[in-house]
Amino acid sequence: QVQLVESGGGVVQPGRSLRLSCAASKFTFRDYGMHWVRQAPGKGLEWVALISYDESHKDYTESVKGRFTISRDNFRNTLYLQMNSLRVEDTAVYYCAKTFSDSSGYDAFDIWGQGTMVTVSS
Amino acid sequence: EIVMTQSPDTLSVSPGESATLSCRASQSVNSNLAWYQQKPGQAPRLLIYAATAGATGVPARFSASGSGTAFTLTITSVQSEDFGVYYCQQYNYGPPITFGQGTRLDNK
Repeated sequence: QVQLVESGGGVVQPGRSLRLSCAASKFTFRDYGMHWVRQAPGKGLEWVALISYDESHKDYTESVKGRFTISRDNFRNTLYLQMNSLRVEDTAVYYCAKTFSDSSGYDAFDIWGQGTMVTVSS
Repeated sequence: EIVMTQSPDTLSVSPGESATLSCRASQSVNSNLAWYQQKPGQAPRLLIYAATAGATGVPARFSASGSGTAFTLTITSVQSEDFGVYYCQQYNYGPPITFGQGTRLDNK
């Protein structure tokens, strides 16, 4: 079935970097906008970044601008999140999500990955 | 930034009862609103998109209404598998796309 599988999470010290990946399967990845959403322990959902189907448009939440970069490889059906200058407050489960029907990214999220945990701690 | 506010924070109901969850936007989001259900240790699941449309496979006991700034999710005859946290989300304006803080649906 349609699936997203995240990887790349782990424990990292403040100021260091980490790259998350999200492998997509059983749908035409190149046709859909994609997102990263995070959830700090015991907290609610926070949208992080979006990328349009062709990478022409990217948006970020204010707290990660200049530190995080979203990208995609439509040949490898993979979404990425490069996270630099990590802070303790970036600690969260990071989910990738597919937009329901929109290529730009502004749509509901119909498919979510299982999440990957990122812990930023000294 | 559009602020999404859900009420109540916690709703306690018994199986078989109905539950009504509310979501309010700080400005109009038209019908660009979704509802998600999240159970402990799981990813969110899309229930409703475009304010009132049920996602694939969502039971008919879930229904939604509203447009503009006021939205409602109703669960008629709550089942045991419905307990969890429910989030509304606006995708009309961004960045950022914003979620409500969540409503926890508990077994009374």
